[in-house]
Amino acid sequence: KNQVEQSPQSLIILEGKNCTLQCNYTVSPFSNLRWYKQDTGRGPVSLTIMTFSENTKSNGRYTATLDADTKQSSLHITASQLSDSASYICVLNQAGTALIFGKGTTLSVSS
Amino acid sequence: NAGVTQTPKFRVLKTGQSMTLLCAQDMNHEYMYWYRQDPGMGLRLIHYSVGEGTTAKGEVPDGYNVSRLKKQNFLLGLESAAPSQTSVYFCASSYLTPGHEQFFGPGTRLTVL
Repeated sequence: KNQVEQSPQSLIILEGKNCTLQCNYTVSPFSNLRWYKQDTGRGPVSLTIMTFSENTKSNGRYTATLDADTKQSSLHITASQLSDSASYICVLNQAGTALIFGKGTTLSVSS
Repeated sequence: NAGVTQTPKFRVLKTGQSMTLLCAQDMNHEYMYWYRQDPGMGLRLIHYSVGEGTTAKGEVPDGYNVSRLKKQNFLLGLESAAPSQTSVYFCASSYLTPGHEQFFGPGTRLTVL
């Protein structure tokens, strides 16, 4: 069973609309949770990082939330732009070990 | 700063051939990593290094070897390529432990026929 599950697998939205991507995890405890953005043909780039005790973290139009009780994280994108088209990857750092990657959500923003 | 660079960007091999992928970083990071990314799967760790002269196995190390002779370089070798090694390979580095932000290279697309 995957320790980090992301949903939906893919998503298409119109430019200017908001969207929310989900990350459910079973890893516990963990040191931090990151969201990475991966543009087509490029390597992933870190968007946000939250420690186990944080609830929310923003980076411009990107806001990540963390609910440790339900073991869920979400990435909310406000007023989407064409440049937001990418894969978004949820990554957990289990304390003292390597990273655990989700399979990602592919977002397409159309005009 | 160039960050993390990878060479080559693309490569096509025949089954049984060997090759080396080169990763270089100019951020003076201690940790370096090699991942592979396949369609429908998350990034999977092949090997990693916690410092010059050290290497360790990751989740999927079989069929690969690595070396870190210099702090800024991390080499990934395929001694006898197989079609199952067709993938996109990413190198990454981080200042210290994996929990620190990892900076990724642009990737190498490898096809093994």
